Amino acid sequence: NAGVTQTPKFRILKIGQSMTLQCAQDMNHNYMYWYRQDPGMGLKLIYYSVGAGITDKGEVPNGYNVSRSTTEDFPLRLELAAPSQTSVYFCASSFPQGRGRVFSTEAFFGQGTRLTVV
Amino acid sequence: KQEVTQIPAALSVPEGENLVLNCSFTDSAIYNLQWFRQDPGKGLTSLLLIQSSQREQTSGRLNASLDKSSGRSTLYIAASQPGDSATYLCAVCSGSEKLVFGKGTKLTVNP
Repeated sequence: NAGVTQTPKFRILKIGQSMTLQCAQDMNHNYMYWYRQDPGMGLKLIYYSVGAGITDKGEVPNGYNVSRSTTEDFPLRLELAAPSQTSVYFCASSFPQGRGRVFSTEAFFGQGTRLTVV
Repeated sequence: KQEVTQIPAALSVPEGENLVLNCSFTDSAIYNLQWFRQDPGKGLTSLLLIQSSQREQTSGRLNASLDKSSGRSTLYIAASQPGDSATYLCAVCSGSEKLVFGKGTKLTVNP
């Protein structure tokens, strides 16, 4: 009963380094999301995917890349880490259903990855 | 662009008190509204999901209402307990199934 699993839980990066945040879900959800959460700023959408092979930008995509080769996995890539990317990153998934996708199920979140760029 | 506002930003109450958290959104064309709880350093736990066609949802001591036409939702917590202390986030799902979040209300229930 894993739900949404994120790895790693914590990471410290040096400026200019790159890394991939992993996200996997075992609920066969077709929608997956990446959010970042900064203190006092709420959660902001970075990228999302409506199914394997399909991704789209959210509100704050600059400095990030994603891919969705399978239904289960949605990794987030940071190519050149900057201090502004210090944040907590959350992955989420949901499964829209119903006519015209009007009725959708709730979103499930992972436990987050706390990233510090120094 | 959908914007979600939560008032108050922080709330401190004595144990046993009933309380209401507020959420407002600017675009009433939503699919659903979801309330989450977040404990310090943890992820988000879904509390209640209200579909756009529904007026309210209940789970235990929690009751969430939705007035889509006025762009408002409330989360009512009955007989609050210290274990209810957390940040409560409201999120609206509209357009391409993207969740737009408010900044949250930090609740402290004092014993």
